[in-house]
Amino acid sequence: EVQLEQSGAEVKKPGESLRISCKGSGYRFTTYWIAWVRQMPGKGLEWMGIIYPGDSDTRYSPSFQGQVTISADKSILTAYLRWSSLKASDTAVYYCARAAYGRLSFDSWGQGTLVTVSS
Amino acid sequence: SYELTQPPSVSVSPGQTARITCSGDALPKQHASWYQQKPGQAPVVVIYQDTERPSGIPERFSGSASGTTVTLTISGVQAEDEADYYCQSADTSGTYWVFGGGTKLTVL
Repeated sequence: EVQLEQSGAEVKKPGESLRISCKGSGYRFTTYWIAWVRQMPGKGLEWMGIIYPGDSDTRYSPSFQGQVTISADKSILTAYLRWSSLKASDTAVYYCARAAYGRLSFDSWGQGTLVTVSS
Repeated sequence: SYELTQPPSVSVSPGQTARITCSGDALPKQHASWYQQKPGQAPVVVIYQDTERPSGIPERFSGSASGTTVTLTISGVQAEDEADYYCQSADTSGTYWVFGGGTKLTVL
């Protein structure tokens, strides 16, 4: 069974750093893209960026370029989303999602990680 | 940056047909997918590659594409179909992926 298991909810203060994770299982981790998707409270889905763990090819939405870092460690089948300095506006649920190489479709999603940034 | 445009809301009575559109300049070149999201849950793909339905998705869900518009059709809408629906695709280069703004389907 394909699973994407995300790390737990986080409560942080503005200016703090944070890294959340997404561990894949039940499939060949290096042959699927992993994307990160933001959903702010009461709002829609936003594509933040994507990484191909096989060769670490990474792409960012212009809206998120320079604001976050996406990485992956294929030895432990895990993708990451990192902030160096959080803002209150980063409060959201963050999903990871899997897409087959050559496909523009996310066929499996993590359960979501709620990040709350508040002073 | 590239955008996909959806109507904010669609309302139908049970048993009727719901159609949700999604418009984007690159859709003649790039496939689109549709996702259903219910409150407090992760999205689920209901249509991929414009017209393909994943296993486990009811036959009442179908997709079509024409020019710069793709359409999700739900035939014989049921109360359980009430949810937010998002289209998703990419720009012409395939480098930047994008979601539409989402459509709230209300079953009256």
